[in-house]
Amino acid sequence: KQEVTQIPAALSVPEGENLVLNCSFTDSAIYNLQWFRQDPGKGLTSLLLIQSSQREQTSGRLNASLDKSSGRSTLYIAASQPGDSATYLCAVSKETSGSRLTFGEGTQLTVNP
Amino acid sequence: GAVVSQHPSRVICKSGTSVKIECRSLDFQATTMFWYRQFPKQSLMLMATSNEGSKATYEQGVEKDKFLINHASLTLSTLTVTSAHPEDSSFYICSARGTSGVYEQYFGPGTRLTVT
Repeated sequence: KQEVTQIPAALSVPEGENLVLNCSFTDSAIYNLQWFRQDPGKGLTSLLLIQSSQREQTSGRLNASLDKSSGRSTLYIAASQPGDSATYLCAVSKETSGSRLTFGEGTQLTVNP
Repeated sequence: GAVVSQHPSRVICKSGTSVKIECRSLDFQATTMFWYRQFPKQSLMLMATSNEGSKATYEQGVEKDKFLINHASLTLSTLTVTSAHPEDSSFYICSARGTSGVYEQYFGPGTRLTVT
C-alpha cells in the first residue's frame, strides 16, 4: 500500500525567504506526482505535475523535483510571499489508467510579512 | 480551461435526511471523476471512482449504499449522502481526470456538509 509522507507538517518563514517542502512515498512505481495548494475551506489548486519519466517541473517561483528511485520529491518556493501561505499537498498516482491519487498529510506554510 | 465546479458549496441538513452534491466539469469531458472527503486538519481520502455510464468503484470501508454515486454524463457526477448522520459532516471534494495523456486531476472547490 502506497504511503505518502510530507515534512515538515508546518513551516513559518519570513517574507522573501526561499524554502523547500519535502514529500516521500513508499512505492516508487508511480505514474506521476502532483503538488497542490489548498487554502482554508477551499478546494485544491494544481501547482505542478511531474511525470515519472521527468526529474523536475518549474512554474514561476515554484520548482518541483522528483527522484523516483528514492521515493522523494521536493517543492522549492523562491522569494516567498504572504500570499503563498496555504497548505501544500503532494499526491502520487500509480496506475496508468484511472489515476487514483494517494495524498500526503500536507505542509501548512505561513509566510510572515 | 479545466474548471470543475461543485454545488452546493455549503449545506446543512438534519440527521436522517439525504443530500445530493453535484460535480461538473465545465470546459472538458470527464469520463472519470473522483470523490474525496476531508476531515479538519487531515488530508484527502478517496471515497470512490466514478466512471461515466458504469457503476462507481468504492474504496474499502466506504458504504456504497450510503454514498450513492451517479455519473450519468461526461460532465456531471453526483454524490448523494443518504440518511445522513452527524459523523458524515465533512468537506467533500470531487475531481475530474483530464483527457491528456498525463492524467492530471482537476479539483472542484469542495462542499461543506454539516449534519445536525
